[in-house]
Amino acid sequence: AQSVTQLGSHVSVSEGALVLLRCNYSSSVPPYLFWYVQYPNQGLQLLLKYTSAATLVKGINGFEAEFKKSETSFHLTKPSAHMSDAAEYFCAVRGRGNQFYFGTGTSLTVIP
Amino acid sequence: KAGVTQTPRYLIKTRGQQVTLSCSPISGHRSVSWYQQTPGQGLQFLFEYFSETQRNKGNFPGRFSGRQFSNSRSEMNVSTLELGDSALYLCASSLEGDSRTDTQYFGPGTRLTVL
Repeated sequence: AQSVTQLGSHVSVSEGALVLLRCNYSSSVPPYLFWYVQYPNQGLQLLLKYTSAATLVKGINGFEAEFKKSETSFHLTKPSAHMSDAAEYFCAVRGRGNQFYFGTGTSLTVIP
Repeated sequence: KAGVTQTPRYLIKTRGQQVTLSCSPISGHRSVSWYQQTPGQGLQFLFEYFSETQRNKGNFPGRFSGRQFSNSRSEMNVSTLELGDSALYLCASSLEGDSRTDTQYFGPGTRLTVL
């Protein structure tokens, strides 16, 4: 069975500071992992995805994530937070068929 | 390419009524999935359609149903609405849906409020 756990439902960072959003996965097969972002009153937008080609994945808006098999983690980072990064972030793992399993989300607040 | 579109964006219904939500996938995408998003339960998978057939189903009661048309557009129906059905319903499309690297692209959602 596949699942993901996001540690920290709320994260606050100062503008310009490092953003680190945590995601750990559980998967009985090689996982395919995704990070999505959701702005208020909008759907989910794909930030990046891991499909086993490279462990460090670069996404849009300066975000990247590193797949660490030994730690079963796929944490999302951005070197310098911007006000426009304030949103809800979801980690997801692709399961059987085309079913995605989402984490509970992390709300990112950026303090000016 | 146009993204995934969902109509209507907002709906208000009363308990006991039924509702139909519509989703138009990205052109060329044949797989459509539906999710329910609530503050308490997060994002939960409802079902997936591919080539007009339900291919995968989540753990929701039979009041939740869907269908897909030959042009890949999909509808979701909820009958006998309950207060707990109030949620954001998200539709996602992907190319084939059977490749493990396939990506789901989401629409803006339909906000359903049940009074």
